[in-house]
Amino acid sequence: DAGVIQSPRHEVTEMGQEVTLRCKPISGHNSLFWYRQTMMRGLELLIYFNNNVPIDDSGMPEDRFSAKMPNASFSTLKIQPSEPRDSAVYFCASSLLGRDRGNYGYTFGSGTRLTVV
Amino acid sequence: AQSVTQLGSHVSVSEGALVLLRCNYSSSVPPYLFWYVQYPNQGLQLLLKYTSAATLVKGINGFEAEFKKSETSFHLTKPSAHMSDAAEYFCAVTMGTGNQFYFGTGTSLTVIP
Repeated sequence: DAGVIQSPRHEVTEMGQEVTLRCKPISGHNSLFWYRQTMMRGLELLIYFNNNVPIDDSGMPEDRFSAKMPNASFSTLKIQPSEPRDSAVYFCASSLLGRDRGNYGYTFGSGTRLTVV
Repeated sequence: AQSVTQLGSHVSVSEGALVLLRCNYSSSVPPYLFWYVQYPNQGLQLLLKYTSAATLVKGINGFEAEFKKSETSFHLTKPSAHMSDAAEYFCAVTMGTGNQFYFGTGTSLTVIP
């Protein structure tokens, strides 16, 4: 298995531009998570999906952020318009939510380093 | 509510010395506990996990952790540090009723040659 695949690895964009981050979870996993990591705030859960349905988006900072999961093998996180304070590393993770909930742990992607100038 | 607290944001050890990274959890029910490692410019990798089986859990790269309910702790140890162990380590907790993980703030481990 290729693991969780995120693209792009690095993104540099100008303030005000739309940014789309992509994630392909591990095949067979039914839960997908988007995290943001910064020095100041550490790891923050933005949103997570279970069976392609958004379960908790309370971590999404504001309306500029949106996430979709149109099918089990693809998810996007979009920022529109982007601002310098959005600069961070964005991680996608997937897991299998089974009878033993939380038993399997997450598998993380390598992250997208976003810089908004 | 559940959470984890990692004591010490930075830990330095000499190569060959014992590694001890501390994690305490807060949970009203028995939790599932995890340690993750993050190398520079990489995502988080699972080191080990506790899921209510044996209280002493062995993970990859020689790391292990012991679940101590009386102390609400899940400290990570390694008998002899190697230069390649230098990384950021995160403790995480999740509950049996949900799949959301709660991560600690991380501990940066430096190994001194």
